[in-house]
Amino acid sequence: QITLKESGPTLVKPTQTLTLTCTCSGFSITAYGVGVGWVRQPPGKALEWLGITYWDDDKRYSPSLRSRLTITRDTSKNQVVLRMTNMDPVDTATYYCAHRGTSVTLFDSWGQGMLVTVSS
Amino acid sequence: QSVLTQPPSVSAAPGQRVTISCSGSASNVGTNYVSWYQQLPGAAPKLLIYDNNKRPSGIPDRFSASKSGTSATLAITGLQTGDEADYYCGTWDDTISAHVVFGGGSKLTVL
Repeated sequence: QITLKESGPTLVKPTQTLTLTCTCSGFSITAYGVGVGWVRQPPGKALEWLGITYWDDDKRYSPSLRSRLTITRDTSKNQVVLRMTNMDPVDTATYYCAHRGTSVTLFDSWGQGMLVTVSS
Repeated sequence: QSVLTQPPSVSAAPGQRVTISCSGSASNVGTNYVSWYQQLPGAAPKLLIYDNNKRPSGIPDRFSASKSGTSATLAITGLQTGDEADYYCGTWDDTISAHVVFGGGSKLTVL
């Protein structure tokens, strides 16, 4: 059974850097074809794709947020880490990590998400 | 402003059929597979349809989808009150650098 769980701070101050960890189980993040990505959703608004890392450490980022985003992996812990710099109140959102399998071009399993609030 | 255009809301009575459209362009819907997600209130999105018209195991055949040109459509038949949710389309976009785009979401109300 594939599960993903996001963890990290629920409150960050403006200009700070957000670091979120996605702990994956039921699959290996290094298995051929697998991807783990991040999507966020401001309260009451639509989904926004942030980026994805693949089994071979290839990465893709949202063009509009690329300069602020870094996605890394800890393969020993089967974790994927999202780092977003220079946080602003408009970045307040629920952040999801999600699994992309070999037979699906987008995400087939999602974490429960966690609300991150940016406020001083 | 989302890259993919969806109607903000749709509604129909229980037992009826409803469709949700997703309009894009040649660089996204016109070229790549479309997925559809259901998001129940307070929950994470759930995959309903992938690769334009395929259902993951466990998704009832009341849910179907199609794609033509730069538009995709999700259809739900035999509407149930439990289908009330937000629905999102998503796909890859090949402009600039490959990235994923989602629609603005459509809120389904079962009257």
